[in-house]
Amino acid sequence: EADIYQTPRYLVIGTGKKITLECSQTMGHDKMYWYQQDPGMELHLIHYSYGVNSTEKGDLSSESTVSRIRTEHFPLTLESARPSHTSQYLCASSDSTSGGPPPYEQYFGPGTRLTVT
Amino acid sequence: GENVEQHPSTLSVQEGDSAVIKCTYSDSASNYFPWYKQELGKRPQLIIDIRSNVGEKKDQRIAVTLNKTAKHFSLHITETQPEDSAVYFCAASINGRVTDKLIFGTGTRLQVFP
Repeated sequence: EADIYQTPRYLVIGTGKKITLECSQTMGHDKMYWYQQDPGMELHLIHYSYGVNSTEKGDLSSESTVSRIRTEHFPLTLESARPSHTSQYLCASSDSTSGGPPPYEQYFGPGTRLTVT
Repeated sequence: GENVEQHPSTLSVQEGDSAVIKCTYSDSASNYFPWYKQELGKRPQLIIDIRSNVGEKKDQRIAVTLNKTAKHFSLHITETQPEDSAVYFCAASINGRVTDKLIFGTGTRLQVFP
């Protein structure tokens, strides 16, 4: 089934560890996004990508980095996790190739809830 | 910078009543306004969206209205049901070189009491 997958769904990790949050989509979408969301609060864009080898920082400053080597894969990495990184991270994608004017509907993954102790 | 204000932050209604959530955006070039519903522990799901060339759009019990002059848009839910209880987010597109960015409102927690 075409969907967006995020792993792990929950992660508890100690301060200073390096972590990578995985996001893959089987929808054939060209654009992908990472949002940070505290529980019940607004979504803040931290990274986005318009295609392979194209990544840009979002509106919310983040110490994370991303890569887009394959169209379907958009992992997010924290080199040294801190308690301030505790949050939910949502991956999303959209399709600009199906025709019609931009902007395009964004589809969200189930999220990764990260806790840094 | 661009922002989207959303009100109210919480809304409690009796089952069968109507609910209205309002948003105001700052970027006059915004041309796409989606509404997402997020149930507890779930991912945000698009429930309705509207583009700037349309003033109103309806889908069964849900409707969205857009006032471009005033730069505000609203979500209307009629005949509310307990399963409508969730957090609702409005968003507005940020145009420019990057046309697929969305700025989200702060969310409205809707509770529908049976």
